[in-house]
Amino acid sequence: AQSVTQLGSHVSVSEGALVLLRCNYSSSVPPYLFWYVQYPNQGLQLLLKYTSAATLVKGINGFEAEFKKSETSFHLTKPSAHMSDAAEYFCAVSDGAGNMLTFGGGTRLMVKP
Amino acid sequence: EAQVTQNPRYLITVTGKKLTVTCSQNMNHEYMSWYRQDPGLGLRQIYYSMNVEVTDKGDVPEGYKVSRKEKRNFPLILESPSPNQTSLYFCASSFGASGRAMLFGPGTRLTVL
Repeated sequence: AQSVTQLGSHVSVSEGALVLLRCNYSSSVPPYLFWYVQYPNQGLQLLLKYTSAATLVKGINGFEAEFKKSETSFHLTKPSAHMSDAAEYFCAVSDGAGNMLTFGGGTRLMVKP
Repeated sequence: EAQVTQNPRYLITVTGKKLTVTCSQNMNHEYMSWYRQDPGLGLRQIYYSMNVEVTDKGDVPEGYKVSRKEKRNFPLILESPSPNQTSLYFCASSFGASGRAMLFGPGTRLTVL
């Protein structure tokens, strides 16, 4: 069985500060990993994905994530937060067959002016 | 424009009154899935479909039914809704499943009184 843990259901940063959202996963097979973002009253949009190519993955809006197998982590970062980054972020893992996409509980990012 | 559409977007109903939430995609995707989103629990998969006439249970299938008679449509059926099915529901689709990012619909907010 696979699972995802997102540390911190709420994260608050100041505009211009580093954003770090943590994600740890467990999977019995090499995983596919995803970060999705959900803006208020909208569906989920893909930020980035890891599918066994480069371990540092760049996504949209300046976000990136690094796959660390030894730590079973896939943390999301952005060097400088913008007010428009305020949203809920979900980490997800897919198994080798890809039939199940398992989500973490989500982290709500708040950006202070 | 590639999109997943859901109807209705908002629904208030009463316990036991059968309802259907429709989902349609215009990208000829093989894989479709239904999720429910509850605070603190992230998204949990209800049912998924690998192709026409091929469906399978996800993590939380109890109280739900699905069908996949056409490739583009994947309706979610609640035969006898109960208050614990009050939730935000998302339909999603992709080409295949393994490693593919999913495109999500805008969501359906269901309240069962």
